[in-house]
Amino acid sequence: AAGVIQSPRHLIKEKRETATLKCYPIPRHDTVYWYQQGPGQDPQFLISFYEKMQSDKGSIPDRFSAQQFSDYHSELNMSSLELGDSALYFCASSWGIRPNTEAFFGQGTRLTVV
Amino acid sequence: DAKTTQPPSMDCAEGRAANLPCNHSTISGNEYVYWYRQIHSQGPQYIIHGLKNNETNEMASLIITEDRKSSTLILPHATLRDTAVYYCIVTGNTPLVFGKGTRLSVIA
Repeated sequence: AAGVIQSPRHLIKEKRETATLKCYPIPRHDTVYWYQQGPGQDPQFLISFYEKMQSDKGSIPDRFSAQQFSDYHSELNMSSLELGDSALYFCASSWGIRPNTEAFFGQGTRLTVV
Repeated sequence: DAKTTQPPSMDCAEGRAANLPCNHSTISGNEYVYWYRQIHSQGPQYIIHGLKNNETNEMASLIITEDRKSSTLILPHATLRDTAVYYCIVTGNTPLVFGKGTRLSVIA
């Protein structure tokens, strides 16, 4: 079965650079979630989109922005990168945002800021 | 405030049942109990979820107490591949919020 696809899997950027992470949800899923997981930390919710509109906002820095496109894929744009942005970034998708629906996660993008 | 409380770590012998408890005493009537696990730096993996009835799938069973204030995830025959951090999450219409979870170590 098709899963959530994230690209790239690994990314190395220098401080103050910009990075773009991409997420391709499971076919027919209309909701996308972004999570950040720092070293030794638990995943932290950043932002989510339902039917191409922002549905919830978590602890996403102002330097980050995201959107969901007409084909339901999503991109997380990160500017003015800081060393502390080094983390695993996970995307998840689900069908709808009802409580009774499971979300499936991709394998993540490991961002290293040097 | 954390919605769930889980023990930080547990051990389980390979082949035995792993019973992972979770307390969620402030759960609301429309909130579900979800279980996910994360195997070292991989994406969190959905296991099971339920509202008030016990649930079973090919991976695990979920037992929810009648007052819904606690639940137990049961892995019937734990294998070494089940070693992971297990997260119990209570959610209604909000995205999944991961707490500290339980680090389960399956021992040969």
